[in-house]
Formats: sequence, structure tokens, C-alpha cells
Amino acid sequence: AQSVTQPDIHITVSEGASLELRCNYSYGATPYLFWYVQSPGQGLQLLLKYFSGDTLVQGIKGFEAEFKRSQSSFNLRKPSVHWSDAAEYFCALGLAGGGNKLTFGTGTQLKVEL
Amino acid sequence: GAVVSQHPSRVICKSGTSVKIECRSLDFQATTMFWYRQFPKQSLMLMATSNEGSKATYEQGVEKDKFLINHASLTLSTLTVTSAHPEDSSFYICSAWGGTSTDTQYFGPGTRLTVL
Repeated sequence: AQSVTQPDIHITVSEGASLELRCNYSYGATPYLFWYVQSPGQGLQLLLKYFSGDTLVQGIKGFEAEFKRSQSSFNLRKPSVHWSDAAEYFCALGLAGGGNKLTFGTGTQLKVEL
Repeated sequence: GAVVSQHPSRVICKSGTSVKIECRSLDFQATTMFWYRQFPKQSLMLMATSNEGSKATYEQGVEKDKFLINHASLTLSTLTVTSAHPEDSSFYICSAWGGTSTDTQYFGPGTRLTVL
């Protein structure tokens, strides 16, 4: 069965510093990968997705992620974090496009220090 | 991106009553809608998948008679929590999928259910 691991439960960074959130997956074929962000009491907003093609994908709000098949990873990065980026971040894996159900990681809570 | 709404955003009910939560795709037709449950500080757990006009498919361990799902149209799915109890208190989130392989699931803002 497929699985998603987000090793970091909490991360704290200073505003303006760079950010990398880790995501590792387990799946026998090429997965569809997503990063979502959730603010307190809110639903999920899609930051970016990888289906195929270029392994470096750009998303909204200045985020990017790189798919590395050899490492089974899809880490999320941002060169300069803003205080408004503080939120919960979820990595998710889909098996065959958006229609199939998603498997979520446990999430990483990002705190931004001013 | 596409917009998915949920209503109500918050609901408080007494134990033993039933509560209905609506999920609507506002600007696209949703072939499939998903219902998730999220406990505090935890990830989303898929409860069920519903396709328009057919019965929902429930994940293992989810009581289908307790969590009734209806997907009567391509823009509306409802989740009814029947005979709610305090342990049903949670954050319920729906998502909608438009139906092509490159589409993404779009999530609603969630419904906070508190059962007293």
C-alpha cells in the first residue's frame, strides 16, 4: 500500500529565511504528488502538484517542489519565508490523477518567527 | 482555482440528533466528491468517495449507516451524521474532482461539528 511520510512535525524559521519541508513517499509506480497548505480552521489550498514532466514544479505563493524518484521524495521549498506562510503543510499522494483518493502525510506545522 | 463551498461552517448539536453538511462545487461539475475527517492536530482521513448518481464507497472502519452520503447532482454532495455522539465531534472536509486525469481535487473550507 502507498504511504506518505513527513518527518518533521514542527518547523520554526525566521522571516526571510529559506524553507524546506520534507516529504517521502512509498509507491511502486510513478505517483501523482501534491502539496497543500491549511490555515487554522480552514480547508486545504493547493500549492503545487506533480503529475509528470519537469521534476521541478513551481507553485503559488513562491513555493516550488522537486520530485526525486531515486530518493522517493517531493520536498517543498521557498527561498524567503513570510510571516503569512505560518500554517500546516500537507504532502499527498494520488495514484492515478486527481480523481483517485489521496493519501496524506501527517503534516508539518510551520511557525515563522519575526 | 475551482471553488468548493461547505455549509454550515460550524454546527453544534445535541447528542442523538442528526446533522447534514453540504458540499457544493460552485464553478465546475464534480464527477467525484470525497469526504474527509480531521481530528485536532492530525492529518485528513478519507471517509468515503461519492460519485454522482451512485452509492458512496466507504473506507474501512467507517460506518455507512452513521455517515450517510448522497451525491444527487454534479455540484452537490451531502454528508449526514446520524444520531451524533460526542465522539463524532470533528472537522469534516469535502473535496471535489472534475473528472479528467490532470484535474486536481479542490477542497472545501471544512465544517466544524461539535456534539454536546
